[in-house]
Amino acid sequence: DQQVKQNSPSLSVQEGRISILNCDYTNSMFDYFLWYKKYPAEGPTFLISISSIKDKNEDGRFTVFLNKSAKHLSLHIVPSQPGDSAVYFCAASEYGNKLVFGAGTILRVKS
Amino acid sequence: EPEVTQTPSHQVTQMGQEVILRCVPISNHLYFYWYRQILGQKVEFLVSFYNNEISEKSEIFDDQFSVERPDGSNFTLKIRSTKLEDSAMYFCASSGIFMNTEAFFGQGTRLTVV
Repeated sequence: DQQVKQNSPSLSVQEGRISILNCDYTNSMFDYFLWYKKYPAEGPTFLISISSIKDKNEDGRFTVFLNKSAKHLSLHIVPSQPGDSAVYFCAASEYGNKLVFGAGTILRVKS
Repeated sequence: EPEVTQTPSHQVTQMGQEVILRCVPISNHLYFYWYRQILGQKVEFLVSFYNNEISEKSEIFDDQFSVERPDGSNFTLKIRSTKLEDSAMYFCASSGIFMNTEAFFGQGTRLTVV
């Protein structure tokens, strides 16, 4: 079941620069998308979400962009900080049903 | 800040034994979930629970699994006869107004079946 794909297993970025994490989905019925951050041995922490009726949502250093025609969303972190180093999961849901997660992208922010 | 609490943080059990994983969701939330993550794999949905009944379950959630909300605060996942392949991190989550909208996750219980 590959409804949500994060094709980059890892990303390395210099502190202060922009981190861009990408996510693709195949199910056109998904109407809500979320990004979670996860540290080892901890649960996923909610970061930011976007409804399918929007194409952008911003919260501080985090911005999520949604391109419905391409079935693609991305998370931008500006500026990146060493504390942002973690695994980032993209997730999607259909009419409030279960979350379907991507495989995650490991972000390393170098100082 | 309200949070989802899970106990124990780590459980080791013998194959064939029953385990109960416990969760205290955020107090005013209405929807409760269990997810699991086998080492190196994706976070997978197991079950959702609303209004004292299961609202959705995955194919993973077979007859060996059950969930219960025995009182107003706890939400439990029982695995009746554990198998080696049940070894995973189990995450409880809850959300407020609408299912899965901004679901908040607990720290997880690492279940090791030996």
